[in-house]
Amino acid sequence: DAGVIQSPRHEVTEMGQEVTLRCKPISGHDYLFWYRQTMMRGLELLIYFNNNVPIDDSGMPEDRFSAKMPNASFSTLKIQPSEPRDSAVYFCASSQGPYQHYSNTGELFFGEGSRLTVL
Amino acid sequence: QKEVEQNSGPLSVPEGAIASLNCTYSDRGSQSFFWYRQYSGKSPELIMFIYSNGDKEDGRFTAQLNKASQYVSLLIRDSQPSDSATYLCAVKSNYQLIWGAGTKLIIKP
Repeated sequence: DAGVIQSPRHEVTEMGQEVTLRCKPISGHDYLFWYRQTMMRGLELLIYFNNNVPIDDSGMPEDRFSAKMPNASFSTLKIQPSEPRDSAVYFCASSQGPYQHYSNTGELFFGEGSRLTVL
Repeated sequence: QKEVEQNSGPLSVPEGAIASLNCTYSDRGSQSFFWYRQYSGKSPELIMFIYSNGDKEDGRFTAQLNKASQYVSLLIRDSQPSDSATYLCAVKSNYQLIWGAGTKLIIKP
């Protein structure tokens, strides 16, 4: 399998612009996660989906952030308008459920990340 | 607030020695525990998971869990320069995966 595929790998944009990050999970995985990683805050869960349905979006920082999963093989994370404090590496990860069950290994397969710089 | 604490390091260990990485967690009800390795500029990858008290060995890696003391550790035997990375501890607590900030490990040749 090709693994989790993210695009773009790098994005440099100006404050106020719209940013769209894309993710293709591993085929057959029914959970998809969006994380943000910074030096200051570490790895933060933004939102996760189960079978294309958003389950927990409590980590989304504010209304400027939105995420969709129109089908099992594609998800987007959109920031509009972007701000310098949004600069981070955004990771998409997928896993095979049942994520909620304690016995599940919980292994997340991460994409290579999208490094966002907002000037 | 559920927390997972790790020493940020860097932890410097000579090649061939044992590297010991520690993690403490606040939620006593936590059920499963994971160690991810992240090389600089790369994404995290799972190297070990453990559910039960005691030790779990996989090659040069040993995970140790003590639920009474609420800590989990990772031992790396015969450390190699290729083990130099940041090690992230993650704890599954009430269906959430709570991440530590990571410990940077440097193996010196």
